[in-house]
Amino acid sequence: DAGVTQSPTHLIKTRGQHVTLRCSPISGHKSVSWYQQVLGQGPQFIFQYYEKEERGRGNFPDRFSARQFPNYSSELNVNALLLGDSALYLCASSLILYNSPLHFGNGTRLTVT
Amino acid sequence: ELKVEQNPLFLSMQEGKNYTIYCNYSTTSDRLYWYRQDPGKSLESLFVLLSNGAVKQEGRLMASLDTKARLSTLHITAAVHDLSATYFCAVDGNLGNTPLVFGKGTRLSVIA
Repeated sequence: DAGVTQSPTHLIKTRGQHVTLRCSPISGHKSVSWYQQVLGQGPQFIFQYYEKEERGRGNFPDRFSARQFPNYSSELNVNALLLGDSALYLCASSLILYNSPLHFGNGTRLTVT
Repeated sequence: ELKVEQNPLFLSMQEGKNYTIYCNYSTTSDRLYWYRQDPGKSLESLFVLLSNGAVKQEGRLMASLDTKARLSTLHITAAVHDLSATYFCAVDGNLGNTPLVFGKGTRLSVIA
């Protein structure tokens, strides 16, 4: 079975631009979470979606937004990119909303110049 | 606010030696996860610890959870080079749907 897939794998953008990252969960998983991992740090929670509704939001500015589609795939959007947005963005899916282990994708490496 | 602290953050150990990584967390939780991350790669789930006193072992790694002390340990036995990676613990709160909070990670290097 396919795991969590993310695209693109690498991305280079300049300050002020906008970016869209995509994630397809494991088949049958209804919850998708997004995490940001800055080099040398642990992942930080950005969003969680379940059944197309936002169920959790981390301490990130409004420049960050996300959505989940009827097929449970998800997009993370970041507007007005800053240098500090350079990071590995990880998507994780889980079967249900509560008490369900997260399965992580390989991530999208975003570099903002 | 849930905080998760790991120590040490960096660990260089010789092959064949034993060592323990510690994970402390600040609020009540009975669900703790250990992940492994290789450079440039995603997170691989190692252990899920769901109750006080839980102990799980896989190969040379053994994880345990003490919810009263808010402490988990990851013990490495007779280290080999293939264990070189960054290890993260992650905790979620006991308030229903709370996201995982990760520690900063322990970068382990096993040398000959």
